[in-house]
Amino acid sequence: EAQVTQNPRYLITVTGKKLTVTCSQNMNHEYMSWYRQDPGLGLRQIYYSMNVEVTDKGDVPEGYKVSRKEKRNFPLILESPSPNQTSLYFCASSFTRTGSGYTFGSGTRLTVV
Amino acid sequence: DQQVKQNSPSLSVQEGRISILNCDYTNSMFDYFLWYKKYPAEGPTFLISISSIKDKNEDGRFTVFLNKSAKHLSLHIVPSQPGDSAVYFCAASFTGNQFYFGTGTSLTVIP
Repeated sequence: EAQVTQNPRYLITVTGKKLTVTCSQNMNHEYMSWYRQDPGLGLRQIYYSMNVEVTDKGDVPEGYKVSRKEKRNFPLILESPSPNQTSLYFCASSFTRTGSGYTFGSGTRLTVV
Repeated sequence: DQQVKQNSPSLSVQEGRISILNCDYTNSMFDYFLWYKKYPAEGPTFLISISSIKDKNEDGRFTVFLNKSAKHLSLHIVPSQPGDSAVYFCAASFTGNQFYFGTGTSLTVIP
């Protein structure tokens, strides 16, 4: 089944403790992206990647890192999480730049206390 | 500053009637627009898109209209079905890589 898999689905952590949210797609997509969803703010793009070793900042990259060492994986790294990073995170992938074929993962609910 | 706005947080429509969801944007450089649908506890799913060279795109019960002069797009669902009840997000892009989403409109279709 074609899908984007994020792990974990739920995570509660403490301020300052490094964490990684994994994202993997099995569709051989070139484009991958991370979003966060917050009430009243919709979905905001954190980082995106156009191919292996090619990444760029989205709208709200502060406090996040990404890497794209393999085509299928695009992990999101929070080196020192803070409470304002409590959010619902989505990973997405697509064949096309225009995102018309974007497939989203099911989301990761992160709480930083 | 929100570049893509959905000013109606919610909308209720009777089954069989037309649902019209609206979206406004501020950046005239946007050249590609999309609508996504999201059910609770799931990721958004792509619904329909339109490029700035068109003013209308149809896909079954879903039609997106683009009014560039007004910087406005709308999604029409005809006829509305209870299964259409979800949150709808519009999104816009001008580079094809960076996307800006609206805040979403929660549609409830009443049987």
